Amino acid sequence: TQLLEQSPQFLSIQEGENLTVYCNSSSVFSSLQWYRQEPGEGPVLLVTVVTGGEVKKLKRLTFQFGDARKDSSLHITAAQPGDTGLYLCAGGRNNRLAFGKGNQVVVIP
Amino acid sequence: GAVVSQHPSWVICKSGTSVKIECRSLDFQATTMFWYRQFPKQSLMLMATSNEGSKATYEQGVEKDKFLINHASLTLSTLTVTSAHPEDSSFYICSASYWGRGDTQYFGPGTRLTVL
Repeated sequence: TQLLEQSPQFLSIQEGENLTVYCNSSSVFSSLQWYRQEPGEGPVLLVTVVTGGEVKKLKRLTFQFGDARKDSSLHITAAQPGDTGLYLCAGGRNNRLAFGKGNQVVVIP
Repeated sequence: GAVVSQHPSWVICKSGTSVKIECRSLDFQATTMFWYRQFPKQSLMLMATSNEGSKATYEQGVEKDKFLINHASLTLSTLTVTSAHPEDSSFYICSASYWGRGDTQYFGPGTRLTVL
C-alpha cells in the first residue's frame, strides 16, 4: 500500500503554461518534503513545509501543505523546459520519510 | 550547504563478489544516514537507517547479512553488498539528516550497481 499518492503520474505541457501536481495521504505527517530527481541522479531538495496551511514559494514554484498536514500541492507558473523532471513528495514522521511514486513533468519548448 | 557525496557513482562487478559504496556528508555532521534502493521508474525504497557508532536498523525484508552497513563517523557511512548477484543490480542512494532539520534528508547522487 502506497502511503503517499501523487497525481497525475505523468504530465506534459507546453512552455509558458501553468501546472499543479498533488500529493495525498490519509496519514498525518510532521513535515512534507518536495524533491526533484533527474534520471540517474539523487533527489534534490526543493522545499520542506511543516505547518498546516503553510505556503512556500521558490521562484516560479509554489508549495502548499494541507491544513490537516495530510496532503500537499506544487504549482509551477509559466513552466520552462528546465522544469522537466520527476517531482517526489515525501512525508516525514519520526525522523523517517515515506515517498510517493512521483509526478513526471515534461515541459515542451 | 548540506552536500552529500557517494562513491563510486557506478560500479560493475561479477556475480559472487562484494562491493562497497561510501556515503559522506561534506559540510555537516549527520545525525542519521539512510540507505535507499530505487528500481527503474519506481520510487525510493528505504533499506536501512544508521546512526554513528551503533548498529543499523534494517527495514523488513532487507537481509542485514547481505547488505552490511557501517557508520564509523558522523560524516561517513558505507554499504557493502556481499556476494552480489544480478538481482542486486539497482540504483543505491544514501541520504543524511542533521540536528535541527527535523525529518529533512539530503541525498547523495546515487550509485549504479550492475552485477554480471
